[in-house]
Amino acid sequence: EVQLVESGGGLVKPGGSLRLSCAASGFTLSASRMSWVRQAPGKGLEWVSTIFTTGHIYYTDSLKGRFAISRDNAKNSLYLQMNSLRADDTGLYYCVKDMVAATRERDYWGQGTLVTVSS
Amino acid sequence: SYVLTQPPSVSVAPGQTASISCGGNKIGTKSVHWYQQKPGQAPVLVMYYDSDRPSGIPERFSGSNSGNTATLTISRVEAGDEADYYCQVWDSSSDHRVFGGGTKLTVL
Repeated sequence: EVQLVESGGGLVKPGGSLRLSCAASGFTLSASRMSWVRQAPGKGLEWVSTIFTTGHIYYTDSLKGRFAISRDNAKNSLYLQMNSLRADDTGLYYCVKDMVAATRERDYWGQGTLVTVSS
Repeated sequence: SYVLTQPPSVSVAPGQTASISCGGNKIGTKSVHWYQQKPGQAPVLVMYYDSDRPSGIPERFSGSNSGNTATLTISRVEAGDEADYYCQVWDSSSDHRVFGGGTKLTVL
C-alpha cells in the first residue's frame, strides 16, 4: 500500500527556513515522479515543484530560487528545503506521488504538513 | 504561463446533472485531470487523462475535453458530491503543472 507521510512543518518567522520531509512506503521513490503541491488557507491548489525519475527538477515561477526539492533514495524520502520564507508561503504542503501515464496508475497524496510564516 | 479558468461556483439540485468547465488555450491537446477536495481532506483524483475514472470513482462521474474546454460531468448528483473541484494539466511548453482556480459545487 502506497503511503506518504509529510513532516517538518511549523511556525517560522519571515526570512526563516524550514525543511519538509515526506516518508514514502509501499513503492520505490527513485522510480517515481514526485511533486510538492501547496494550499494557502481558504485558497486553491498550487503546484510547487516536481522531480522526475531522471533527476530533472522544475519549480513554479513565483519561488524565484528560494525552494529546493531533493530525494534520498536510501531513505525513500522526498524533501523540500524552503528558504527566505514569506507570509504568502503559509499553507498546507502536500507530498504527491504523480500518476503514471503508461500504466494509468493514479496519483497518491499525503495528508499534508502545515507551514505558518508569521512574526 | 498557461492558465486554466474554472467557474468559482456551480449549484445543482440532488438528482440533477452538474457540469464543471475548465477553460484553457487548446486544452483539447493536453491531458486533463480532475480532483475533488472536501473540507479538511487531501484532494482525491476523480478523473484522469480527460475521461478515465480511477478505481472506486462512481460511474456518475465522466469527463470530456475538446477545443478550449474540458468538462467534468456529475450525473445524479448526491449530497456527498458537495466539494471543491480542481482541473489540472501538465504544460509541456514550460514543464509546469497547472491547476485551475477551483469550483465549489453546492448541492441545493
